[in-house]
Amino acid sequence: GQNIDQPTEMTATEGAIVQINCTYQTSGFNGLFWYQQHAGEAPTFLSYNVLDGLEEKGRFSSFLSRSKGYSYLLLKELQMKDSASYLCAVRRGDYKLSFGAGTTVTVRA
Amino acid sequence: DAGVIQSPRHEVTEMGQEVTLRCKPISGHDYLFWYRQTMMRGLELLIYFNNNVPIDDSGMPEDRFSAKMPNASFSTLKIQPSEPRDSAVYFCASSLGQGAGETQYFGPGTRLLVL
Repeated sequence: GQNIDQPTEMTATEGAIVQINCTYQTSGFNGLFWYQQHAGEAPTFLSYNVLDGLEEKGRFSSFLSRSKGYSYLLLKELQMKDSASYLCAVRRGDYKLSFGAGTTVTVRA
Repeated sequence: DAGVIQSPRHEVTEMGQEVTLRCKPISGHDYLFWYRQTMMRGLELLIYFNNNVPIDDSGMPEDRFSAKMPNASFSTLKIQPSEPRDSAVYFCASSLGQGAGETQYFGPGTRLLVL
């Protein structure tokens, strides 16, 4: 099994930056994914890290430290449409994804 | 591509009835996953297939749940008999492979309510 912890909720202002942290404990680590899920919709892929360091994709960046069992998702220049749940997911050697409970981000005008 | 297709999108049934959920993965994807999402337990993997063969069903909650994949373009998840605690959103996802970074693409989900 594995523990994946992320904050339940975060609120930020339009145009600001928000960082969502994720810590995990697992055996056979084989990658960390971030998904975005709008209310009533399916999760959609945002980013993937398997090596330590920062991956940047436009306004979204994701960081991984395998030795610390830690990742974060950075959302820059927040827009109202970024209000959603953000799910941290860890993949093990057996290729199964285990998801955290998700962080609900609310963007205020 | 149409993406992962699931049907029905919504299902309301009474306790004890059989429920069948359907999924068509993205063409060419070798892996298919069934997930369940609830407020209490979050997103949980139930079972996954590789090339139509079930690989890991350790997440299937009990014998009332069964899943099949008769061919590369179709899978079903069946609950018989259904119970109120089965109420959840059931997602199907597929992926091209399991190499580094291969992402899973989710269908729109089936919202199941068992009364």
